[in-house]
Amino acid sequence: DTGVSQDPRHKITKRGQNVTFRCDPISEHNRLYWYRQTLGQGPEFLTYFQNEAQLEKSRLLSDRFSAERPKGSFSTLEIQRTEQGDSAMYLCASSSDRGTQYFGPGTRLLVL
Amino acid sequence: AQSVTQPDIHITVSEGASLELRCNYSYGATPYLFWYVQSPGQGLQLLLKYFSGDTLVQGIKGFEAEFKRSQSSFNLRKPSVHWSDAAEYFCASYNNNDMRFGAGTRLTVKP
Repeated sequence: DTGVSQDPRHKITKRGQNVTFRCDPISEHNRLYWYRQTLGQGPEFLTYFQNEAQLEKSRLLSDRFSAERPKGSFSTLEIQRTEQGDSAMYLCASSSDRGTQYFGPGTRLLVL
Repeated sequence: AQSVTQPDIHITVSEGASLELRCNYSYGATPYLFWYVQSPGQGLQLLLKYFSGDTLVQGIKGFEAEFKRSQSSFNLRKPSVHWSDAAEYFCASYNNNDMRFGAGTRLTVKP
């Protein structure tokens, strides 16, 4: 078990471009979470999957954001028409039971 | 809605000194409680967790935390800090699929 992995680790893009991030959870975990973390703040919940079903979405997740988890394995988070305010660390976590979430290293996004 | 407060934004301690990081949660029932540590540019590593039972929980790297229901607190402690403990520490509460984090406490360790 290599833990939660995320790709890419860093992404620089221009305003208006689309970006996609990938998260591979711990293999036996059925729950997968996405968070956003800005400088000096704790992670903020974005969305949550149980297997392939997206069960909750935060109001932070505007219509420019979409997340998928096909087949209940890896997940992708796409941001369309990026804005400078989207610059942040995007964290993925997975769990096999309620509460104990294990985090990946994160993807740091910079929108120029 | 539940919330987590970490009153100290930044703490500096000398290497070898004891450490206590404060955390208060706001929720009617007792949520699950966690402490995570984050090194610069990295993800979060779980230090310890409290679900129920013994209110003093032991974690990795010599950390422990005590749950006090009467004070709605879950403070993190370490008897002797090492230079490698310098990092950002986050307290979190979880209830009904809702995970909330505090704003974090940055720990600096002086030689």
